[in-house]
Amino acid sequence: AQSVTQLDSHVSVSEGTPVLLRCNYSSSYSPSLFWYVQHPNKGLQLLLKYTSAATLVKGINGFEAEFKKSETSFHLTKPSAHMSDAAEYFCVVSGFTGTASKLTFGTGTRLQVTL
Amino acid sequence: EAQVTQNPRYLITVTGKKLTVTCSQNMNHEYMSWYRQDPGLGLRQIYYSMNVEVTDKGDVPEGYKVSRKEKRNFPLILESPSPNQTSLYFCASSFGFRRGGGETGELFFGEGSRLTVL
Repeated sequence: AQSVTQLDSHVSVSEGTPVLLRCNYSSSYSPSLFWYVQHPNKGLQLLLKYTSAATLVKGINGFEAEFKKSETSFHLTKPSAHMSDAAEYFCVVSGFTGTASKLTFGTGTRLQVTL
Repeated sequence: EAQVTQNPRYLITVTGKKLTVTCSQNMNHEYMSWYRQDPGLGLRQIYYSMNVEVTDKGDVPEGYKVSRKEKRNFPLILESPSPNQTSLYFCASSFGFRRGGGETGELFFGEGSRLTVL
């Protein structure tokens, strides 16, 4: 079984300040982990992914995330928020059930960026 | 351009009137999936398909049907829609993710279909 918990449903930051979106997971296997972003009225777009290579993963638009197995966490960070970062962010864990992959989505974190 | 195309993007219908939401991808992906997105619940998987003629239930399959007759298409069928199926629906595709394989499981999403059932 696997699950993912996004610890904050809403996060508000000022433009130019750091962003931290928190994600904890559980998995019976060595998981792959993803962050997706959803802008209003759009589909989800991949930000970054962890697939058992480097634990610090860099993604698009200056985002990065660190896989910490001991803490079962995969928090998303960005040093300086931009207005265009306002969106909903989903943490996703991928693992195996037999031969098929199973993706489990978190409930999402809405990021608000203020001037 | 690589993309997943869903139609219709918006639909208002009435209880019991059968409808189909189409999904097509041009990336030769084996894996396709349908999700519904509801406030506070994130995305929940309805059905998925590992390849042509291979489909399986996700977490919330009740009230839905799918078919995968061609690799590129994966329509979602609501035989008798009910108001609790009012939601935002997403189709997604990927190369899949096999143990020992090189795929990453990255999903490519359509732009969504907002369905309202009255």
